Amino acid sequence: ETAVFQTPNYHVTQVGNEVSFNCKQTLGHDTMYWYKQDSKKLLKIMFSYNNKQLIVNETVPRRFSPQSSDKAHLNLRIKSVEPEDSAVYLCASSYSQTGQLYFGEGSKLTVL
Amino acid sequence: LAKTTQPPSMEAYEGQEVNVSCSHTNIATSEYIYWYRQVPHQGPQFIIQGYKDYVVNEVASLFISADRKLSTLSLPWVSLRDAAVYYCIVTDRGSALGRLHFGAGTQLIVIP
Repeated sequence: ETAVFQTPNYHVTQVGNEVSFNCKQTLGHDTMYWYKQDSKKLLKIMFSYNNKQLIVNETVPRRFSPQSSDKAHLNLRIKSVEPEDSAVYLCASSYSQTGQLYFGEGSKLTVL
Repeated sequence: LAKTTQPPSMEAYEGQEVNVSCSHTNIATSEYIYWYRQVPHQGPQFIIQGYKDYVVNEVASLFISADRKLSTLSLPWVSLRDAAVYYCIVTDRGSALGRLHFGAGTQLIVIP
């Protein structure tokens, strides 16, 4: 049963455009994450938020910016996309003191 | 963070029991072991977690060696639905707010 909802599921755009992905969780968790899964299926954490506070900011280009309005929502904006941004972006949530994450189905970005 | 080593792939026939091993020779005393799996077009799904000895749930069982340097995920009677990439992760549950680093995982191929 899905409890982490991502939109859109797919997005095709051209280099230089801006893209936003939205994520909502209905589990009452206090921590949310964005992961990037590349074409080789490697998963890398990008950001994590705890109670709307940015906790983890891995080395990602500055064109990526997370936005959290409340602890149930975490969006990801990409300004001026590049071809290497083509990937699946996965949102996840958890309670802060656990490694049990719940993932959404992902948002696949294709940059032409 | 402790690094993990898993076989890149495994094959099994439907109905067989499958054991997926994971080596984590540098695991710290504060770190726990988590197993996730990912099927195509979905996000990773939590399977089981443990600290030492033996853990079992309705999906799988997890055996952890006495020195905690090796863990084995056991799946009884695999079906085609168990074909997935299985990830072994070790992390300090209390730090970094559950941030998980995924490796390449083990691709399980199930043969009808």
